[in-house]
Order: sequence, then C-alpha cells, then structure tokens
Amino acid sequence: EVQLVESGGGLVQPGGSLRLSCTASEFTFSSYWMSWVRQAPGKGLEWVANIKQDGSEKYYVDSMKGRFTVSRDNAKNSLYLQMNSLRAEDTAVYYCARGDSSAWDGTYDIWGQGTMVTVSS
Amino acid sequence: DIQMTQSPSTLSASVGDRVTISCRASQSISWWLAWYQQKPGKAPKLLIYKASTLESGVPSRFSGSGSGTEFTLTISGLQPDDFATYYCQQYNSYSRTFGQGTKVEIK
Repeated sequence: EVQLVESGGGLVQPGGSLRLSCTASEFTFSSYWMSWVRQAPGKGLEWVANIKQDGSEKYYVDSMKGRFTVSRDNAKNSLYLQMNSLRAEDTAVYYCARGDSSAWDGTYDIWGQGTMVTVSS
Repeated sequence: DIQMTQSPSTLSASVGDRVTISCRASQSISWWLAWYQQKPGKAPKLLIYKASTLESGVPSRFSGSGSGTEFTLTISGLQPDDFATYYCQQYNSYSRTFGQGTKVEIK
C-alpha cells in the first residue's frame, strides 16, 4: 500500500528545536515533490514547505523561512523538517504529503496520518 | 502570497441537497486549484485538481468549475459521508496556500 508515515513529534519548550521525519513506502519516492502541511488545533490547513525530487529546489511559507528547513534522503525514502526557534503558534499536527512527479509541484494525493507538535513550557 | 478566501465558512444542509462552495483567489491562478475533503482526526483527501478534474475514485456527485480567481465546488445530492470540511488550495505560485475551509454540517 502506498503510504507515508510521520514521526518525531512531541512536546518541546518555546525556543527549542525538533526534527520531523516522514517515511514513504510502496512508491518511487525519488520521483515526487514532497511537502509539509500543518494544522493547528481546531484550525485550517497551512502549507509549510516543499522540496523537489532531487532536493535542488525548496520553497517555504514566508512566516517560517529561516526557522524551518526541509530536506530529503532519497536513499532512505525519507522526508524531514527541521524546526528551530519554535513558538507556541507552531503547535499543530504536521502532515507530510506527496506532490507531483513532474517539474512543477502540484496537488497532494497521498498524505501521512500526521504527527503532533506541541510547543509549551 | 496568494490569498484564498472560501465562502461560506459553515454550511448547513440535508441529505440529497445540492451544495455549492466558493473559493476566490487574490490574483489569477489560471486553473491551478485543488479541492480537498477532511474529516475530524483524518488527513485531507484530494477530490479535484486543475479546477475541474475529478481525482480517481472520487464520486461523480463532486464537481469543480472556474478559472482565474473564482472557483466553485459543487456536491450534487449530498450523502451522509459528505459531511466534512472542504478546503481549496492554489498551486500557481511557489508558495502554496489553502482557503480557510468550509464546514458542511447536517441541517
């Protein structure tokens, strides 16, 4: 079954760091753009970042530029999100999602189950 | 960033109703718009891409239309499984954005 599984969420203090992982299975991970999307409790979806198939292009929402870094390891079928200088407003469920297999990232047809990040003292 | 505005925020409807949700972009996004359905505690599910193309496996009662800045998701004959929150998403720019969501509730 085509699947994405996130891990690495948890409770972290304000100002702290956390690294999320997303492991893909049953599809050619290296052929797809990948993205992170988050959802604060009771709120809507917020796109965070994406990364091209070979990691050569990365894009971020303005509010997270400089604090969050997206990366991937195609040999391990894994996507990562390094989050630094975390704030209370970063508290959310973080989803990884599969994008397009072309040169331009498109829509997200496969999603993980999400991992919860709570930023609190 | 391109802003996406959905209306209404909440919609009360009955089984069998025809439901329409609107999504407006702050600038033209051509046809680069998708619609997702999300149920509580679950990941979103892709319904429609390129404004009007139905994702494989999605029932034909769902349809999308529009281009430029104005888009619509229509559910023709609401089913019990359709009560959920719906989001539009633009993918015209490098920075993607979602609408704030429309919750479809049981009347």
